[in-house]
Amino acid sequence: GENVEQHPSTLSVQEGDSAVIKCTYSDSASNYFPWYKQELGKGPQLIIDIRSNVGEKKDQRIAVTLNKTAKHFSLHITETQPEDSAVYFCAAWGSNQFYFGTGTSLTVIP
Amino acid sequence: NAGVTQTPKFQVLKTGQSMTLQCAQDMNHNSMYWYRQDPGMGLRLIYYSASEGTTDKGEVPNGYNVSRLNKREFSLRLESAAPSQTSVYFCASSRGATGELFFGEGSRLTVL
Repeated sequence: GENVEQHPSTLSVQEGDSAVIKCTYSDSASNYFPWYKQELGKGPQLIIDIRSNVGEKKDQRIAVTLNKTAKHFSLHITETQPEDSAVYFCAAWGSNQFYFGTGTSLTVIP
Repeated sequence: NAGVTQTPKFQVLKTGQSMTLQCAQDMNHNSMYWYRQDPGMGLRLIYYSASEGTTDKGEVPNGYNVSRLNKREFSLRLESAAPSQTSVYFCASSRGATGELFFGEGSRLTVL
């Protein structure tokens, strides 16, 4: 099946700085890549996604880029705010299911 | 608008005991899922139900059984709990296979 690797596992940034989280996947047939945010004590929530026919997608302060050739995709958060502190998971759709990365714990320091 | 509701939120079991986690969604979604979340391992799919009347194994199905009771409800059963099943379990639903996943708030299970 698919193998999704996510880095870094923890990330601390100053408020207002940018944060970047990177993921790689193994199955070249994977074609859909969502990102989920999980706040403490809650279930993950979708924040942005990208399909394989698109290289970049942006939604306000959040953007995702996809490089199909290299099989990696990244989440970019600009102008970080304390409420961005959470655990972020990347995922890839392949073989009839989603495969998740191991998560990145982002802390935004006021 | 409740979304995905899981019960119970917390449970402590002894090795060998059985229990059922309940999940219900009110969004008229076709697909439902059970994931487990362990530190450093992300979310791993246990079982899923692509539509009412069907269930399929995910990445880590051993030791679990599921029932898609109707379109709204999808339960996860541990027949003989083991310490390795200590985890946080999440139920999720989606309109279709590659659609957005909507998660419940999780059920924390400890097996002693």
